[in-house]
Amino acid sequence: QKEVEQNSGPLSVPEGAIASLNCTYSDRGSQSFFWYRQYSGKSPELIMFIYSNGDKEDGRFTAQLNKASQYVSLLIRDSQPSDSATYLCAVKGSASKIIFGSGTRLSIRP
Amino acid sequence: GAVVSQHPSRVICKSGTSVKIECRSLDFQATTMFWYRQFPKQSLMLMATSNEGSKATYEQGVEKDKFLINHASLTLSTLTVTSAHPEDSSFYICSARVAGGLSANYGYTFGSGTRLTVV
Repeated sequence: QKEVEQNSGPLSVPEGAIASLNCTYSDRGSQSFFWYRQYSGKSPELIMFIYSNGDKEDGRFTAQLNKASQYVSLLIRDSQPSDSATYLCAVKGSASKIIFGSGTRLSIRP
Repeated sequence: GAVVSQHPSRVICKSGTSVKIECRSLDFQATTMFWYRQFPKQSLMLMATSNEGSKATYEQGVEKDKFLINHASLTLSTLTVTSAHPEDSSFYICSARVAGGLSANYGYTFGSGTRLTVV
């Protein structure tokens, strides 16, 4: 079992709709959870981090964490073509290492 | 704040030669540096963790004699790919842990990456 799992996609969402990205993790002791956006050929950039159960909102983005289910999600409201990218879920495990999922390719169609 | 400068951004080298990649923290002290490798359409795979003044800790399956990591100061860490081969062609990214406090990136910041092509 992979430590951090994501559906590779591609996930195609119409412009203006809500994009929902999901992630599960295996280490129950994980404390911090991150969503990164990565454009082709570029380094990842942090979108959100969350460490408490529940929802965390920042602009058009909402991160959701359920530690009991070992599940993290990212919602993107009012999706824009510029949101088209690969979204990486990452989990901070032992030794302060951040382990990445394989990423979900999101495509926003005009 | 908390910027990591990574160089070079792209490098092409001949098979059998060595390549050095540098990551410098510009406005903070990076006590811990993480080195990742990313193959096309795959996720970032952690290669090693280095702490200033100590030997790097390598992940399982990563050859420490091939990927030499030096973290001699709090502002500079280097990764040297020795005797590079075409299969080493990849995108290499460093990530620094910011010493003390929370930053906008929750204490971690990434370099811009190095695209290595071995021919």
